[in-house]
Amino acid sequence: DAGVIQSPRHEVTEMGQEVTLRCKPISGHDYLFWYRQTMMRGLELLIYFNNNVPIDDSGMPEDRFSAKMPNASFSTLKIQPSEPRDSAVYFCASSLGLEGSETQYFGPGTRLLVL
Amino acid sequence: GQNIDQPTEMTATEGAIVQINCTYQTSGFNGLFWYQQHAGEAPTFLSYNVLDGLEEKGRFSSFLSRSKGYSYLLLKELQMKDSASYLCAVENGATNKLIFGTGTLLAVQP
Repeated sequence: DAGVIQSPRHEVTEMGQEVTLRCKPISGHDYLFWYRQTMMRGLELLIYFNNNVPIDDSGMPEDRFSAKMPNASFSTLKIQPSEPRDSAVYFCASSLGLEGSETQYFGPGTRLLVL
Repeated sequence: GQNIDQPTEMTATEGAIVQINCTYQTSGFNGLFWYQQHAGEAPTFLSYNVLDGLEEKGRFSSFLSRSKGYSYLLLKELQMKDSASYLCAVENGATNKLIFGTGTLLAVQP
C-alpha cells in the first residue's frame, strides 16, 4: 500500500486566498483525521471522519475552516479566506478503528505558508 | 482538563541510553502512544501501552504507570538516525481522540 497520500506537499499563498488540502487515506481504513502542527501548539486534531461522516469537528479553529469526505478514498480541508496565522503543517492520518491500540498512520503533510 | 508534559529538548551520545519522560493528566484514559518524527517528515508509530509495565521492541522500550500518569520511552544503543522529535500521545477514554504532547527533540551526538 502507498500509505496516506497528501497534496500539495507545499503551498505558499497570500492572505485572503482560498486553500484546499487533499488527502487519500489507506485503503480499507474507516477513520480519517486532519491535524495541524505548529511549534507553539504541537499536533492538534482538527476533525475526524468515520465511514466518510464527520464525527467530531470541535478542533476546527473557526468557520473559515471546512472539511469534506465525499467518498472513502478522498478528503479535503479548505481554508477560506486564509490568514497568516494559518501557516502550519497539516497532516492527514487514517486508521482501521478508533479505540485502543488502533494505530493512526500519518501522511507526509502539507506545509502551508500564508503571506 | 487534559495536559501532557515532556521535555522540550534532550541531548545524548551515540551508543548510549536515553530516557524520555512523559506525564499526563486526562479525563479518561484509553492508552498511551509514542511516535517518532524526523524533521520535515510525518510522525510514525513506535509503541502503545494500555497496561502498567514495560513493553520492549528491539532497541526501544516504553513504560507506563497509570496510577502516576507517567510514561517513558527508553532508547538503547543510540544511533545518529535516532535524532528526531518523540511525541507522547494519550487516548482520551471519553472521546477516543489522541491528545499529543509538544514533543521532545532528541539530538544524538557522535
